[in-house]
Amino acid sequence: TQLLEQSPQFLSIQEGENLTVYCNSSSVFSSLQWYRQEPGEGPVLLVTVVTGGEVKKLKRLTFQFGDARKDSSLHITAAQPGDTGLYLCAGAHPRAGGTSYGKLTFGQGTILTVHP
Amino acid sequence: DAGVIQSPRHEVTEMGQEVTLRCKPISGHDYLFWYRQTMMRGLELLIYFNNNVPIDDSGMPEDRFSAKMPNASFSTLKIQPSEPRDSAVYFCASSPHRGAGYTFGSGTRLTVV
Repeated sequence: TQLLEQSPQFLSIQEGENLTVYCNSSSVFSSLQWYRQEPGEGPVLLVTVVTGGEVKKLKRLTFQFGDARKDSSLHITAAQPGDTGLYLCAGAHPRAGGTSYGKLTFGQGTILTVHP
Repeated sequence: DAGVIQSPRHEVTEMGQEVTLRCKPISGHDYLFWYRQTMMRGLELLIYFNNNVPIDDSGMPEDRFSAKMPNASFSTLKIQPSEPRDSAVYFCASSPHRGAGYTFGSGTRLTVV
């Protein structure tokens, strides 16, 4: 079973601070996705990273895929209250995974609270 | 596009009753996934379909759970009989191809009393 460990589980910070969320696994993924979920809604896709070492920026959010495609990080600069939510990483199983090919495995999530 | 549509948004039922959750995926998406989310276990994949065919149902908890996809625009997840431990938020998601990002519905919050 391919597992994704996210850390920290909870993060409570003040507006304007920077933060990093980590997503780690002992397994290789063909791609890794980050989602954000708000209360009462389903997760919403933020980004997909595919290439080892890839870095993608989305305004104040920076996503990085590890060189070995086993880990990823999400860095938020100058956090805003609107960034509050549950952040989930999800890894796509590689072709060798049989019926698991293309299936996503989700981490447990990081609950971020940004206080005004 | 209206996105992935799930119904009902909330369902409260008594233990032993049958519950049916419904999902309309995004048109053109070949993959449909049913997930269950709880505080303790996070997001768990129950089953997924490709072109209406069930591919992997290893996440279905037990025989009380069943899922169907009679056509490309509709899927159901049925629990019969329901139990209090089935209480959770159930999400449906669709994806255009393998490994692509998922579009999730807003979920159905199920409470079994």
